[in-house]
Amino acid sequence: KAGVTQTPRYLIKTRGQQVTLSCSPISGHRSVSWYQQTPGQGLQFLFEYFSETQRNKGNFPGRFSGRQFSNSRSEMNVSTLELGDSALYLCASSQGPTAPSSSYNEQFFGPGTRLTVL
Amino acid sequence: GQNIDQPTEMTATEGAIVQINCTYQTSGFNGLFWYQQHAGEAPTFLSYNVLDGLEEKGRFSSFLSRSKGYSYLLLKELQMKDSASYLCAVNTNAGKSTFGDGTTLTVKP
Repeated sequence: KAGVTQTPRYLIKTRGQQVTLSCSPISGHRSVSWYQQTPGQGLQFLFEYFSETQRNKGNFPGRFSGRQFSNSRSEMNVSTLELGDSALYLCASSQGPTAPSSSYNEQFFGPGTRLTVL
Repeated sequence: GQNIDQPTEMTATEGAIVQINCTYQTSGFNGLFWYQQHAGEAPTFLSYNVLDGLEEKGRFSSFLSRSKGYSYLLLKELQMKDSASYLCAVNTNAGKSTFGDGTTLTVKP
């Protein structure tokens, strides 16, 4: 089984621009979560999608948005980029609440997209 | 809200045993995960606890006490490759996972 893939792996943007990151989950996984990881803040939850619906949302401004497609692939978008948005953006997939054990929701992480805002 | 605490850094010697603690405060607890993350890489799953007690998996074991909001990850027979960041994450009934800031473990020869 192929793992979680994220594109692009590296991205350099300037302040004020917008960016779209892509995540393809493991085949059969329907839940996709996005995280921002910075040295000072650790792993911060952005949002989670299941069956094309946003189920959970973290405490990030509206500049951060996402969506999920019918094939479970997900994109996240950041508009009006700020210097502080420089981070590693990780996507994680899991089977979701329809998994055989509803309480076992192991997440498999992709390699991440390293975003640098200049 | 949810709060997860774990030590920032730990150092241990190759071949020794180390215990990494994690305390949490959360509503709707639905399981606790431990992940390992090497520098520059994505986190990888180590263990999962949803009931009280010890889960053993090779050199790694994880313990949970739901009444105390406490978990630990035990690493035995430490190897140099175990130098990494160890993340404690709590899952809620709503399917949301909250991560601690991670414990950076350095294994010295």
